[in-house]
Amino acid sequence: GEDVEQSLFLSVREGDSSVINCTYTDSSSTYLYWYKQEPGAGLQLLTYIFSNMDMKQDQRLTVLLNKKDKHLSLRIADTQTGDSAIYFCAESITGTASKLTFGTGTRLQVTL
Amino acid sequence: SQTIHQWPATLVQPVGSPLSLECTVEGTSNPNLYWYRQAAGRGLQLLFYSIGIDQISSEVPQNLSASRPQDRQFILSSKKLLLSDSGFYLCAWSVQGRANEKLFFGSGTQLSVL
Repeated sequence: GEDVEQSLFLSVREGDSSVINCTYTDSSSTYLYWYKQEPGAGLQLLTYIFSNMDMKQDQRLTVLLNKKDKHLSLRIADTQTGDSAIYFCAESITGTASKLTFGTGTRLQVTL
Repeated sequence: SQTIHQWPATLVQPVGSPLSLECTVEGTSNPNLYWYRQAAGRGLQLLFYSIGIDQISSEVPQNLSASRPQDRQFILSSKKLLLSDSGFYLCAWSVQGRANEKLFFGSGTQLSVL
């Protein structure tokens, strides 16, 4: 089955850039997502990228996809304390939510 | 606009007691509905999903069951809780029929079974 791996923890200083990494095993993955979970809350979709794209930028967020290495990253520019949260990578072959595989999540801690 | 309500926010239950978590969606019709569990330090595990009233798919064998008595209501239940049922339970919905389904999550229920 599909497997999605993330490092568990990342600490950055306010104002620096954060890079959260994700690797997946299924080369058929077509849709790749980043969700954000703030403490004690549900997940919120941040952004997504299709497998025919290499990069997607949305304000402070940049998603990079390396299909050859099956590697997805989320870069947050000018990281703020409000960015402190758990970030989940997720992938799907079909685009249907019932077939979405989530990673274990990366806890981002932003320090002053 | 669409909203999703999930309650209670926290719950402490003894082993062997029953469970009922409720989730309702407003502002949309015929949504796909989902129950996920998030165990400490682990990713999200899909427990159940539903494409319509009384149409429930179970993803993993477990001590839990789900029901969808109305179009926008999804209930997670157990007759007898186990210690291993502790976790953070999330309800979610998506729009049916989209090629790129995005999930919209409730705020979650933290369940502690003691």
